[in-house]
Amino acid sequence: QKEVEQNSGPLSVPEGAIASLNCTYSDRGSQSFFWYRQYSGKSPELIMFIYSNGDKEDGRFTAQLNKASQYVSLLIRDSQPSDSATYLCAVKGSGNTGNQFYFGTGTSLTVIP
Amino acid sequence: DVKVTQSSRYLVKRTGEKVFLECVQDMDHENMFWYRQDPGLGLRLIYFSYDVKMKEKGDIPEGYSVSREKKERFSLILESASTNQTSMYLCASRVPRDRGNYGYTFGSGTRLTVV
Repeated sequence: QKEVEQNSGPLSVPEGAIASLNCTYSDRGSQSFFWYRQYSGKSPELIMFIYSNGDKEDGRFTAQLNKASQYVSLLIRDSQPSDSATYLCAVKGSGNTGNQFYFGTGTSLTVIP
Repeated sequence: DVKVTQSSRYLVKRTGEKVFLECVQDMDHENMFWYRQDPGLGLRLIYFSYDVKMKEKGDIPEGYSVSREKKERFSLILESASTNQTSMYLCASRVPRDRGNYGYTFGSGTRLTVV
């Protein structure tokens, strides 16, 4: 069983602050990593993917990957109340499980106006 | 944009009923997946399919079966619904691994209640 661990939170940050979400994974062969946002009662939507070590920026979102430490994170700058949601980390499997994604249980983020 | 459509948003069924959950995608994706999502347990893979008439068990296939007669449609079947199958069911599709690292696209989900 591939493990993906996230701090369930809840994480609360004031509006305008940086929110930092973390994820660790067990499969050393994994090469692709995804962050999904899920609003209450809705399905997950893809916001970022990363497969190279280092940082990847897209607007207010930055994904960070460290394969040696098996660690991936998501930073949300200038947090807005509309960012309040659960954030799911997903790791694409390797080898025979290369078409499957393994999900963490999610971190609940609340941005306080 | 890829669209993944699940036929029902909410369903209420009785214990012992046979339940069909339908999922259709419109982007010719080979890979399709069924997950259930429960509080504190996250997303758990039930079944997936790489191609028409092909299916593979995921992590929790017991009590479920699937059907993929056409590429665009992947059906989840609860053979005899039980109360512990009350959950949010999510269908997803994606391109296969040799065509990039694109993530899943999820349907809007079906919240199933078994009474």
